[in-house]
Amino acid sequence: ETGVTQTPRHLVMGMTNKKSLKCEQHLGHNAMYWYKQSAKKPLELMFVYSLEERVENNSVPSRFSPECPNSSHLFLHLHTLQPEDSALYLCASSQDRAGSGNTIYFGEGSWLTVV
Amino acid sequence: EDQVTQSPEALRLQEGESSSLNCSYTVSGLRGLFWYRQDPGKGPEFLFTLYSAGEEKEKERLKATLTKKESFLHITAPKPEDSATYLCAVQGGSEKLVFGKGTKLTVNP
Repeated sequence: ETGVTQTPRHLVMGMTNKKSLKCEQHLGHNAMYWYKQSAKKPLELMFVYSLEERVENNSVPSRFSPECPNSSHLFLHLHTLQPEDSALYLCASSQDRAGSGNTIYFGEGSWLTVV
Repeated sequence: EDQVTQSPEALRLQEGESSSLNCSYTVSGLRGLFWYRQDPGKGPEFLFTLYSAGEEKEKERLKATLTKKESFLHITAPKPEDSATYLCAVQGGSEKLVFGKGTKLTVNP
């Protein structure tokens, strides 16, 4: 139990579907993140939210749309994805933005397969 | 640009055979170096944070050390349950956390 919970753990979707990934953190942190992990590649930062405000968007395609309604919840809305978007999507949180050596804690991830 | 290189990519050990994993980095203004363990199909699990050269941290059979150019994760008398991918990440002046590709460790009984 890491204090960061992601649902669903596995998702298969067609290229024309719309789905969402959900993340909830129980650590009282102020910053939340979405990372993408593909085979044989380093973790890639997608989005950063600090106190519910998006502070970074790492040139992510618009078919990925994040939403942070409060400091405990983070969503990643998915629509018209491509097969190459299949990956493990990781949610994470830290006490504050990862700017002063703050440790980032990860959830278990959501495995996404686009068919 | 901050960079992290981990070696080896994969390492096979016999139970009880001690070894070290390497994380070489280039960063502008190190704010922290992080080690994570990742089991197949799961998210990374935090192990250590190191902030300055010369710092060392230990947890059970793991010991992490840091110099100005690299960090080592020493594994003493490993057990099969230590098998996992170990990830290294650095955070510099850009505030971004940059990860390496990881070292996949297999410990055979």
